[in-house]
Amino acid sequence: GQNIDQPTEMTATEGAIVQINCTYQTSGFNGLFWYQQHAGEAPTFLSYNVLDGLEEKGRFSSFLSRSKGYSYLLLKELQMKDSASYLCAVTDSNYQLIWGAGTKLIIKP
Amino acid sequence: NAGVTQTPKFRVLKTGQSMTLLCAQDMNHEYMYWYRQDPGMGLRLIHYSVGEGTTAKGEVPDGYNVSRLKKQNFLLGLESAAPSQTSVYFCASSPSGDSYNEQFFGPGTRLTVL
Repeated sequence: GQNIDQPTEMTATEGAIVQINCTYQTSGFNGLFWYQQHAGEAPTFLSYNVLDGLEEKGRFSSFLSRSKGYSYLLLKELQMKDSASYLCAVTDSNYQLIWGAGTKLIIKP
Repeated sequence: NAGVTQTPKFRVLKTGQSMTLLCAQDMNHEYMYWYRQDPGMGLRLIHYSVGEGTTAKGEVPDGYNVSRLKKQNFLLGLESAAPSQTSVYFCASSPSGDSYNEQFFGPGTRLTVL
């Protein structure tokens, strides 16, 4: 079967750095997405990785290792508005998106 | 541009009732999707469409039907609602099926079936 694992919840302090991990087992791989979802709102796109390595976009970076079936999202200089769920999703061999259950990130002052 | 819009935003149904959820996008996207989101679970694909006049089943299609008569609209129907269909429903669209295309989501419809 296809599976994406993320921690259910994480807590971090304003101004700090947090790393959210995602491991996947899918039938084929055609890319990995990270989305942000604030409570009661729609998911919004953060990043896309298809090659191994780190992609940096402002305070957010995303890393991929295809051989390990592993990705992480790194958030720096945390702000209160970063409190949200972070969804990991993988495009499989049929170009279908397989979604993880999401990691709820709580930021404390 | 409004992006992706969904109506209604909230709905309460009784078991056995029917309803239609409407999704509209103004980005000229080819692909459209219907998902449901339940606590503790990832988004699950119900049905999708790769273009006007086409529909296809996703991971959890039972109890739902869809239609894409116009490119900009994607309708999701519940013929006979069941409590198990209580969920948040999201519509999304993307320019094509290419793997790098992000999906753009509507604000969601919160459906409760009593």
